[in-house]
Amino acid sequence: EVQLVESGGGLIQPGGSLRLSCVASGFTVSSNDMNWVRQAPGKGLEWVSVIYSGTTIYYAESVKGRFIVSRDSSKNTLYLQMNSLRAEDTAIYYCARSGSETGYCNGGSCLFDPWGQGTLVTVSS
Amino acid sequence: DIQMTQSPSTLSASVGDRVTITCRASQSISTWLAWYQQKPGKAPKFLIYKASNLESGVPSRFSGSGSGTDFTLTISSLQPDDFATYYCQQYYTYPGRFGQGTKLEIK
Repeated sequence: EVQLVESGGGLIQPGGSLRLSCVASGFTVSSNDMNWVRQAPGKGLEWVSVIYSGTTIYYAESVKGRFIVSRDSSKNTLYLQMNSLRAEDTAIYYCARSGSETGYCNGGSCLFDPWGQGTLVTVSS
Repeated sequence: DIQMTQSPSTLSASVGDRVTITCRASQSISTWLAWYQQKPGKAPKFLIYKASNLESGVPSRFSGSGSGTDFTLTISSLQPDDFATYYCQQYYTYPGRFGQGTKLEIK
């Protein structure tokens, strides 16, 4: 079964750092394009970052320069290192695989399936 | 970036109703549009790809249509399990932005 399980969320003070993890099962993280998507409390979905199966990485403007995405093939795990955290970073963070079936992608842009259950990050003093 | 706008933001309906949610792109995205369903406390679940193709296992009461800039998600006969928030997402180009969501409430 294809599954994603996030961890690492919690309460952190503004300016602090946190690292989220996303463990995958049923497929290989390094062979797939992987994303982080966040959702502020009561709000909509915001794409945060993508790491392609090669080496290309993109970030949303709102997190560029502060967040770093990486993966560990030996652990089949995706990470999101979040630095210089702000109150507006408060959200549930989901990891999601880019779609891998025909019709699920247009070049490097894809829908997201599956998603993890999410991990809550709260930035507050 | 391509902006996605959904309407309405909230929709009140009853079991058995036929409902339609609209999603509009700020420029043409051909049919590169997905729809998701999200229930409280849960991750989004992917329902439809390429505007009108149902993901395996999605009930046939769900349907999608549209191309270019205007798209719709229709539920032909609402079931109790369908009350949730629905999001569209364009994947014509990076970044694949989402609409702001439509909350489907029980009337």
